[in-house]
Amino acid sequence: GAGVSQSPSNKVTEKGKDVELRCDPISGHTALYWYRQSLGQGLEFLIYFQGNSAPDKSGLPSDRFSAERTGGSVSTLTIQRTQQEDSAVYLCASSLGAGGVETQYFGPGTRLLVL
Amino acid sequence: AQKITQTQPGMFVQEKEAVTLDCTYDTSDQSYGLFWYKQPSSGEMIFLIYQGSYDEQNATEGRYSLNFQKARKSANLVISASQLGDSAMYFCAMREGGRRALTFGSGTRLQVQP
Repeated sequence: GAGVSQSPSNKVTEKGKDVELRCDPISGHTALYWYRQSLGQGLEFLIYFQGNSAPDKSGLPSDRFSAERTGGSVSTLTIQRTQQEDSAVYLCASSLGAGGVETQYFGPGTRLLVL
Repeated sequence: AQKITQTQPGMFVQEKEAVTLDCTYDTSDQSYGLFWYKQPSSGEMIFLIYQGSYDEQNATEGRYSLNFQKARKSANLVISASQLGDSAMYFCAMREGGRRALTFGSGTRLQVQP
């Protein structure tokens, strides 16, 4: 079965531009998560979706970051006016969303480089 | 205070030997879950093993076992019979209470030597 997929796998952008990162969760998983992995900060939680709503946005670092999820499936993370400190690997994960252990399964990530 | 502490930035182990990767955690929640993930050089995070705070038995999954010492707030990963393919970064993570977000440690880079 297909795992979590993310696109693009790599993105190079110029400071000040907007970028969109896409995540396609495992089929049937209603919970979706975004994390960021950077050299300086390690792995950080950004946002969690249950269905199309985001009950936990506590990890979004600034109002330049936003995310949405439509149809309870694909999610898009948007970074506006990118800064060099946004350079990182953005990881998406999904889980069943039914409660219990809720093991999160991760995608391969999008490596973002802001020049 | 750090929620998850992994004190070993790097570890070496001989092939076929066992190795223990340390993880301590800090939480005031009675209900929590502890996870270990492996991240090879390809970058993908691979789930290895889970331990719930109320689980009385230590979790095991094949060559992976979790040495859970609740009073000491430690959840060490034991890999038995190391293989060259075990060379990777290993992350300990915690989910607290009703939150879904995982908090990760800084990771341990394991290198298995032939």
